[in-house]
Formats: sequence, structure tokens, C-alpha cells
Amino acid sequence: GEDVEQSLFLSVREGDSSVINCTYTDSSSTYLYWYKQEPGAGLQLLTYIFSNMDMKQDQRLTVLLNKKDKHLSLRIADTQTGDSAIYFCAESRTGGSYIPTFGRGTSLIVHP
Amino acid sequence: DAGVIQSPRHEVTEMGQEVTLRCKPISGHDYLFWYRQTMMRGLELLIYFNNNVPIDDSGMPEDRFSAKMPNASFSTLKIQPSEPRDSAVYFCASSLPGGAPIDTQYFGPGTRLTVL
Repeated sequence: GEDVEQSLFLSVREGDSSVINCTYTDSSSTYLYWYKQEPGAGLQLLTYIFSNMDMKQDQRLTVLLNKKDKHLSLRIADTQTGDSAIYFCAESRTGGSYIPTFGRGTSLIVHP
Repeated sequence: DAGVIQSPRHEVTEMGQEVTLRCKPISGHDYLFWYRQTMMRGLELLIYFNNNVPIDDSGMPEDRFSAKMPNASFSTLKIQPSEPRDSAVYFCASSLPGGAPIDTQYFGPGTRLTVL
């Protein structure tokens, strides 16, 4: 299987919460990231979490990390149409070259 | 800073032609990455450089692909000859060394390549 796995699509209604899930395989992952790719653009770092944290909140974004299950999630509160994008989960580790491993991305579709 | 600059933004070419994609990383960044994005395979790392030296090119699909970084502010990805299956969006990204979250990758806007 892939090192970082995500579901490919998620559809939500405007105003609802979105939860995008990700699983990874490397228990030595140190940093876990969420990147956002808007149509026609490159990836942009949205938020990140250290592996020694369980949760990180940043305005409408909440990242939850279950290190035991190697599960990462991104919750977007009050989802807006401008949140429609592809969201990539990524992980990296220290102790060597820093190269993040990306998932295949989850397309978030927000409809009225 | 202008961010990572890629050119051209769109390229349409015919099978068999040579294609050259260009990238200017963010000034001061020591790492440069080339990625390819397709619906079928997602985001693939093709090659990356550190201080202008290629470190890992194991992601380069075949000998038709080559990448160079003659100096700290410029890199090229060349496909010769191009084939329809090379059609994809090619991203360049750069980062500082270290591995801390602040040293994350900064992506360019991508080059959409279509090979007819």
C-alpha cells in the first residue's frame, strides 16, 4: 500500500463542517502536514502538527493526530465555497534528508 | 519575494518534440524539487537537488527525462522525446534545509504540459 492514504473525494454543504482523513504507515514520522491546492495553482502549506501533539487548532481548522493508529484528520468548521480545493496530507521525519511524502489528495467540493 | 517561478505555465506540443520546463526557486532556498501530478498517479517526486547537486533522481520515469540545476537560481526539466503519457502538471518547489515545519516546501504554480 501507499505510505500516505486519503480518500479521493469529499462533498459537503456550505456551512457544515468538513473532515478530511489521512492514514500513514511510518511510525517515525515527525511532522505531519496539510497542504491545500486551489484550482490552477501549486500546493500551499495550510497547517502542520508535530508528532508529539494530539491536536492543533488554527481558526476554522482543527488537526487531530492519533499516533497509535497513525491517523491524521483535518476539520474545517463552517466550510465555505472558497474552501473547495484538493487537500494533501504529508508526513516527514528528521534524521536524514527532509522530503515529505504526500498522499494523493482529497478533493473537497462545497455546494450551496 | 515573488515565490517559486515556473515557465511556461502551459505547453502544448506534439509527440516526439523536446520540451523544456523552467524553474526559479525562492532566493536562499537550498533545496529544489520537481514533481509531476496526474489524476492516475497523484503527486510524484521526480528529482530533487541540494545546493545545485542532484540528490535523488529515482523518481524520474525514464531516460527521456533529465533535469539540471546550473546555478542556485535556475533549474530545467527536459523531456526528449515527449510522449502523450507525459501529459501532466509539473511542479517545481523549493525549501530551506532542516526539516522543521518552517522549512516547508514552497510550490510554484506549475506547468501544464499537453503532448498530442
